[in-house]
Amino acid sequence: DAGVIQSPRHEVTEMGQEVTLRCKPISGHNSLFWYRQTMMRGLELLIYFNNNVPIDDSGMPEDRFSAKMPNASFSTLKIQPSEPRDSAVYFCASTLWGDTQYFGPGTRLTVL
Amino acid sequence: DAKTTQPTSMDCAEGRAANLPCNHSTISGNEYVYWYRQIHSQGPQYIIHGLKNNETNEMASLIITEDRKSSTLILPHATLRDTAVYYCIVGGSGNTPLVFGKGTRLSVIA
Repeated sequence: DAGVIQSPRHEVTEMGQEVTLRCKPISGHNSLFWYRQTMMRGLELLIYFNNNVPIDDSGMPEDRFSAKMPNASFSTLKIQPSEPRDSAVYFCASTLWGDTQYFGPGTRLTVL
Repeated sequence: DAKTTQPTSMDCAEGRAANLPCNHSTISGNEYVYWYRQIHSQGPQYIIHGLKNNETNEMASLIITEDRKSSTLILPHATLRDTAVYYCIVGGSGNTPLVFGKGTRLSVIA
């Protein structure tokens, strides 16, 4: 099993640009989570999906952030427009109902 | 907010047992205790979890007090590769979000 796959692993962009982060959960998993990690705030939940349906997006910072899960094997997190304060490591995690969460390697985003 | 309290940092000699404490005095009856760790620059890694009984797997042991208000993660023979931040998390089943606190930074020293 390849585990949770995230791309890109590193992204450097300029303020105002659109950024799209991608996640492929483990095959068969039915829940997907997006977390963000910064030095100041630690690891925090942004949004999560059960069976491709968004359940809780209260952690999404503002309207500049959006997430989609068009099917069970793919999710995107989009930031438009990006700002320097969005610089962080973004993790995707997936789980099968009632099981433990498995995290991807993360995407390190730097907004200049 | 995280429902757990952990020491900020701990040191452990290589080859010795590492005992990482966690307080979770407000845990509810149906909530589990989860332990994850994060090695520098990697995604969090699941270690073990339990509800009431003590648990053991190939990585670690989890000791939960009878009143469930605290627990201890035991790495029986710590190695340098166990140097990481260890998170104790209280929560429901695996398909609900994890609420991470600041964790304990464990340094295994040769």
